[in-house]
Amino acid sequence: EAGVVQSPRYKIIEKKQPVAFWCNPISGHNTLYWYLQNLGQGPELLIRYENEEAVDDSQLPKDRFSAERLKGVDSTLKIQPAELGDSAVYLCASSLGQGKSSYNEQFFGPGTRLTVL
Amino acid sequence: AQSVSQHNHHVILSEAASLELGCNYSYGGTVNLFWYVQYPGQHLQLLLKYFSGDPLVKGIKGFEAEFIKSKFSFNLRKPSVQWSDTAEYFCAVKAQGTYKYIFGTGTRLKVLA
Repeated sequence: EAGVVQSPRYKIIEKKQPVAFWCNPISGHNTLYWYLQNLGQGPELLIRYENEEAVDDSQLPKDRFSAERLKGVDSTLKIQPAELGDSAVYLCASSLGQGKSSYNEQFFGPGTRLTVL
Repeated sequence: AQSVSQHNHHVILSEAASLELGCNYSYGGTVNLFWYVQYPGQHLQLLLKYFSGDPLVKGIKGFEAEFIKSKFSFNLRKPSVQWSDTAEYFCAVKAQGTYKYIFGTGTRLKVLA
């Protein structure tokens, strides 16, 4: 069975340009997470989806970041416009289940490494 | 607010040495605790987790961790490391009943052959 798929793996853009990242979670996983990982830091949650609903987007900088998961399967994270400080790895993860039953392991994708010049 | 501290940022060991990586968290309620590992060029993957019961949990590849509630700690141990354990290790905590995982800054382990 395929794991969490992310593309692209690497992206280099100039500041003020838009960029989008794509994530396809493990089949059947209702919960999808986007994380930001800066160099030398652990992942930090940006947004969590239960099916197509964004149930926690409190850490998402909404002035420039947006995300969608239209059919409750794959998801896109967008930055527009990108800033130098957005250079980081963007991780997607997925897990089974809904609600607050939390015995479901998160499975992480390989991440997209963004470099903003 | 919850936070997780991993005090060892870089650890270098020789093969067969014993390993202990520290993890402390701050949160007053019931927590679920995790250790994740990221091997070079690979995804983050779960090493072990603690939800309830026996505070000594065993994970994959001979790793174990002990939850000491009074110390707010969840240290990772392995009696004898191998070169293949070279990786970055992240401790994470989640308030029970929630989905928000808080990760530590990670510890880079290098095992010398």
